[in-house]
Amino acid sequence: VQLVESGGGLVQPGGSLRLSCAASGFTLSNNWMSWVRQAPGKVLEWVAHINEDGSEKYYVDFVTGRFTISRDNAENSVYLEMNSLRVEDTAVYYCARDKQAFGYWGRGTLVTVSS
Amino acid sequence: EMVLTQSPATLSMSPGERATLSCRASQSVGSSLAWYQHTPGQAPRLLIYGASTRATGLPTRFSGSGSGTEFTLTISSLQSEDFALYYCQQYANWPGTFGQGTKVDIK
Repeated sequence: VQLVESGGGLVQPGGSLRLSCAASGFTLSNNWMSWVRQAPGKVLEWVAHINEDGSEKYYVDFVTGRFTISRDNAENSVYLEMNSLRVEDTAVYYCARDKQAFGYWGRGTLVTVSS
Repeated sequence: EMVLTQSPATLSMSPGERATLSCRASQSVGSSLAWYQHTPGQAPRLLIYGASTRATGLPTRFSGSGSGTEFTLTISSLQSEDFALYYCQQYANWPGTFGQGTKVDIK
């Protein structure tokens, strides 16, 4: 099983980024998928998760209305569209398999929001 | 929001020693608790779920116990590869929350 995140980088406050997670070694369409982040010096935070076919999506309060999780099972990929980014969104963003105990994680991609 | 408090923040140990890490929840999470190992720059690794069930392939030196609000991760004999960060996570309530971590370093 491998999860590889990409798409992070430096963006100004108010800007947008789209993170991608490429999955391999398992059948993506059989699993819930999640995004988890860790800001510098802070605790890990559960951001969003999506069910197997993309019909159910859940977000934590601090990203609701700004972030959108999606997936393309045919492309073995999961995405996190991030809009209206804030300085406090600066973090390493991890893609993780499952929605409760996360069985597999990627190495993360760094998002820096700064002017 | 559910708060998880891990102790100690740092555990300085020698290889071969027994390590005991604690995680306390601000309210009961039943057995909906997981433990992860994280080495910076690497992907976090699931160790324990359901408070006491080992993840596939996990060495038997790792064990989890507890229920309700008090949980323990025990490493019976530390190996060099075990010096890392350890996080607990509850998934009883949305959103799932993590503890602040315990760093196990070499004395």
